[in-house]
Amino acid sequence: AQKVTQAQTEISVVEKEDVTLDCVYETRDTTYYLFWYKQPPSGELVFLIRRNSFDEQNEISGRYSWNFQKSTSSFNFTITASQVVDSAVYFCALSDMNSGYSTLTFGKGTMLLVSP
Amino acid sequence: GAGVSQSPSNKVTEKGKDVELRCDPISGHTALYWYRQSLGQGLEFLIYFQGNSAPDKSGLPSDRFSAERTGGSVSTLTIQRTQQEDSAVYLCASSLARAGAGGTEAFFGQGTRLTVV
Repeated sequence: AQKVTQAQTEISVVEKEDVTLDCVYETRDTTYYLFWYKQPPSGELVFLIRRNSFDEQNEISGRYSWNFQKSTSSFNFTITASQVVDSAVYFCALSDMNSGYSTLTFGKGTMLLVSP
Repeated sequence: GAGVSQSPSNKVTEKGKDVELRCDPISGHTALYWYRQSLGQGLEFLIYFQGNSAPDKSGLPSDRFSAERTGGSVSTLTIQRTQQEDSAVYLCASSLARAGAGGTEAFFGQGTRLTVV
């Protein structure tokens, strides 16, 4: 069965610090998809990134970057020069053949608090 | 509409009563999902609708939970005889992707916060 583990329940940083959110996943499939979502205090889950299992290239989007390592089944998310507006709960998620590549298995989330 | 719309945003109900939660997906999205977010449990999948196919109900926690999707658009999640453990935020999402077509980028609504007292 698939599983997503976000070991960090809560992280507190001061503005401008870099922060990495860890995500470790389990799946028996060779083809799967990984996602990160952001949930700000308003409650709506905001899509950040999707990565398929065949694409191990790291991705950078502005202050955000993602490090996908199949060898360690990890898909970590780094925010560079954090800002107060980055404060939110961040979820890592997995979609694989078991779910028909449709539904998402989420980690329990990491709450990021960025203070001024 | 521009995004996934859910109503009501908040619902307080007495234990034992039935509740209906509504989801209006993004226009043209064929796939619709319900998830539940509760303290300590994270985000749990409940049910998935794809076009005219039979829904995937594998995540529904009990037979008190049911959902419909009329006309391939609006969906209603019904909880009968509510219990206190049903208190949670119920999130709806929709996407364009067909099942098996690839990783699904789902767009979420803001959720309905259900409190059973």
